[in-house]
Amino acid sequence: GDSVTQMEGPVTLSEEAFLTINCTYTATGYPSLFWYVQYPGEGLQLLLKATKADDKGSNKGFEATYRKETTSFHLEKGSVQVSDSAVYFCALSGNTGNQFYFGTGTSLTVIP
Amino acid sequence: EAEVAQSPRYKITEKSQAVAFWCDPISGHATLYWYRQILGQGPELLVQFQDESVVDDSQLPKDRFSAERLKGVDSTLKIQPAELGDSAMYLCASSRSTYEQYFGPGTRLTVT
Repeated sequence: GDSVTQMEGPVTLSEEAFLTINCTYTATGYPSLFWYVQYPGEGLQLLLKATKADDKGSNKGFEATYRKETTSFHLEKGSVQVSDSAVYFCALSGNTGNQFYFGTGTSLTVIP
Repeated sequence: EAEVAQSPRYKITEKSQAVAFWCDPISGHATLYWYRQILGQGPELLVQFQDESVVDDSQLPKDRFSAERLKGVDSTLKIQPAELGDSAMYLCASSRSTYEQYFGPGTRLTVT
């Protein structure tokens, strides 16, 4: 069945460091891919998305490219800030669009 | 900007008691989801509605959990009786299409 695998955390970075959080997926057909962010005590917020191969989603300095050849959707940011500290979830919506599959989440802490 | 509303934000209940959570999706969103998120894990789908009909409740523990969306707008998730293992964050999400979900702030349930 469809699934998402995320790199395990926690990840701790200094402010202005480069961020990569790896995400790979298994799916039949052509899923849509998402990154969600969850701040402490809150629900999930959509960060960015890509709906077809080679699409690049971007928002707030974060970006991720839908790579069908490597079945990956890695999240990157060139210079992280303390306010980026949160848990990041990779997710996919299958071919039928009927169900989302979430990764286990990667906790990011950015220290000044 | 429209948001998904959930109440209560926090609930503490004793084992074997009944508890209910309410969700009001973004206006015009036909699809509504209830998720359970255990601390340190990704969200797990409990039930999905399309308008007032259940599309997927395969992961809903039906001996103690029930969900309804009688008029195809707001929804209630009930647990009776609550067990210690039900302590988690319960998230509601809605979507206009099946490719992008918007989450509410969640209800943090603690069963003592």
